[in-house]
Amino acid sequence: EVQLVESGGGLVQPGGSLRLSCAASGFTFSTYSMTWVRQAPGKGLEWVSYITRSSSTISYTDSVKGRFTIFRDNAKNSLYLQMNSLRVEDTAVYYCARFTAIFGVGSVFDYWGPGALVTVSS
Amino acid sequence: DIQMTQSPSSLSASVGDRVTITCRASQNIGSYLNWYQQKAGKAPKLLIYAASTLQSGVPSRFSGSGSGTDFTLTISSLQPEDFATYSCQQSHTTPNVSFGGGTKVQIK
Repeated sequence: EVQLVESGGGLVQPGGSLRLSCAASGFTFSTYSMTWVRQAPGKGLEWVSYITRSSSTISYTDSVKGRFTIFRDNAKNSLYLQMNSLRVEDTAVYYCARFTAIFGVGSVFDYWGPGALVTVSS
Repeated sequence: DIQMTQSPSSLSASVGDRVTITCRASQNIGSYLNWYQQKAGKAPKLLIYAASTLQSGVPSRFSGSGSGTDFTLTISSLQPEDFATYSCQQSHTTPNVSFGGGTKVQIK
């Protein structure tokens, strides 16, 4: 059974830092690209970041570029999101999700973790 | 950037009703459109990909249609477990995808 479990969320002051982790199991982690998606309270889903299986390609949504860093450790079956210079507007539940490309029809986020709440407030 | 607009933002329906949710893309995305279901306090779950293909294990009362800029998610006969928020997502610009704002399906 595929499982993704986030950890590391919490309350942080504006300008602070936090690192989220996502522990993967039930599949061969090193063969999948992964992604982070967030959801602010009462709002819709927002894609945050993406990393390929070998970390050779990484991308971010514009609002987090230069502040967030995605990385992974395939030996530990883990995905990470280092978040620096946090802003109030970064407050959200952060989900890690498995990225699956389907030839000819695009891509899907086919498995998601339960999410980790990050609250940025003074 | 491709903007995804869903309508309505919420709706009230009864068990057994036919429900239709619309998603519009700001530019042509072909069939690169996915639908997710999210229950309160839970993670999203993939329902439909490539506009009309049901993910494994998803009941056949769910269906998707459309291409280009206009898409529809239909629940043919609403069940109690279907009350949730539904979001569309374009994967035309993968991995930099974008989601619609969501449609909350509530009990009438």
